[in-house]
Amino acid sequence: GAVVSQHPSWVICKSGTSVKIECRSLDFQATTMFWYRQFPKQSLMLMATSNEGSKATYEQGVEKDKFLINHASLTLSTLTVTSAHPEDSSFYICSARLTSGTDTQYFGPGTRLTVL
Amino acid sequence: DAKTTQPTSMDCAEGRAANLPCNHSTISGNEYVYWYRQIHSQGPQYIIHGLKNNETNEMASLIITEDRKSSTLILPHATLRDTAVYYCIVRVARQVSSGDKIIFGKGTRLHILP
Repeated sequence: GAVVSQHPSWVICKSGTSVKIECRSLDFQATTMFWYRQFPKQSLMLMATSNEGSKATYEQGVEKDKFLINHASLTLSTLTVTSAHPEDSSFYICSARLTSGTDTQYFGPGTRLTVL
Repeated sequence: DAKTTQPTSMDCAEGRAANLPCNHSTISGNEYVYWYRQIHSQGPQYIIHGLKNNETNEMASLIITEDRKSSTLILPHATLRDTAVYYCIVRVARQVSSGDKIIFGKGTRLHILP
């Protein structure tokens, strides 16, 4: 149980285009999901907290108009990288918080974004 | 959330027990100790967590000192597939109002040697 999926697993796009990444909790409901970004040889950096039915909370330094987050249901959150540039190339990882029992967060497998 | 300190890297022979230490001297009474690991190019994987009692599951054991200022993750019989970065995190569970976010440190890079 407690499986989180991401789609796509990797994507290559041209500079200036927008890319949408989906995060799904497959066997549990998640009122809260989180989005992280990880550059090579670095640790995960939290970008934003996504709450179902409300606006996302962004960490300092993360542009909310560039990284659009939508959490429309208890099992799906999406991250859209708008007008992507090469510096947005990174590994994007989501997590979903189990809202019962242990309250543990489970992570998706990540999405590798490459912007040409 | 309290800050944790972990060694940058460790080596362990295959088949031996891997003991990964973590210091969290400023941990609060309501903060849990969580361990995750990240295998190269994958998302972090939950391993185990505990409050003050030692815990064991199918993956590992977690030993927390009586004063809760440090803990040790034990992988009883390490295999090559256990090579990963291991993150020790302390956080308050069920704190909905705070957003309950996990902040990752640099972790310990564990190399399992054949």
